[in-house]
Amino acid sequence: EDQVTQSPEALRLQEGESSSLNCSYTVSGLRGLFWYRQDPGKGPDFLFTLYSAGEEKEKERLKATLTKKESFLHITAPKPEDSATYLCAVQPNTGNQFYFGTGTSLTVIP
Amino acid sequence: DAGITQSPRHKVTETGTPVTLRCHQTENHRYMYWYRQDPGHGLRLIHYSYGVKDTDKGEVSDGYSVSRSKTEDFLLTLESATSSQTSVYFCAISELAGGHYEQYFGPGTRLTVT
Repeated sequence: EDQVTQSPEALRLQEGESSSLNCSYTVSGLRGLFWYRQDPGKGPDFLFTLYSAGEEKEKERLKATLTKKESFLHITAPKPEDSATYLCAVQPNTGNQFYFGTGTSLTVIP
Repeated sequence: DAGITQSPRHKVTETGTPVTLRCHQTENHRYMYWYRQDPGHGLRLIHYSYGVKDTDKGEVSDGYSVSRSKTEDFLLTLESATSSQTSVYFCAISELAGGHYEQYFGPGTRLTVT
């Protein structure tokens, strides 16, 4: 069964304190792994797509990495505006569905 | 901005009444999705469409039906709303960009069934 687990559920960081969010997945074959940012009351915003183990992508203070079993979203020197819920999803290579984790709620304290 | 709008944005309805939510996109995307988002469950796929009149079920499709008679519109219908269908509903599209898929979401519809 295709499954996505994110940890931790919630994370509080001081401004400038770097950390990582984890997304572990079980899928028969991976077409893609996706990261999103969701602000309260809004739809998720696309951040990255990763396709193969060893791949990395960066955007401002965020860097996403992928292994065969998990992905990490590294946040370097976060700012209060990085506070949001970060969602991970996988798309198996069979079918067109996406499976989401329950997200990590990040709070960055000034 | 993938040009996705949802209507209504908020709705309160009574148990047993039919409800239709609309998703509209302006960029001719082939794939469209309906999700619900609930605390502790994350986003769960209800139905998706891969073309006009081509739809398939997701993991939580019971009690929901969909229709897509035009590329730009994807409708989600709750035939007889129940309190368990109180949720936030998101529409999404996916597109192939630069050799990889990206999925974009609409602003959501908050539905309350009393």
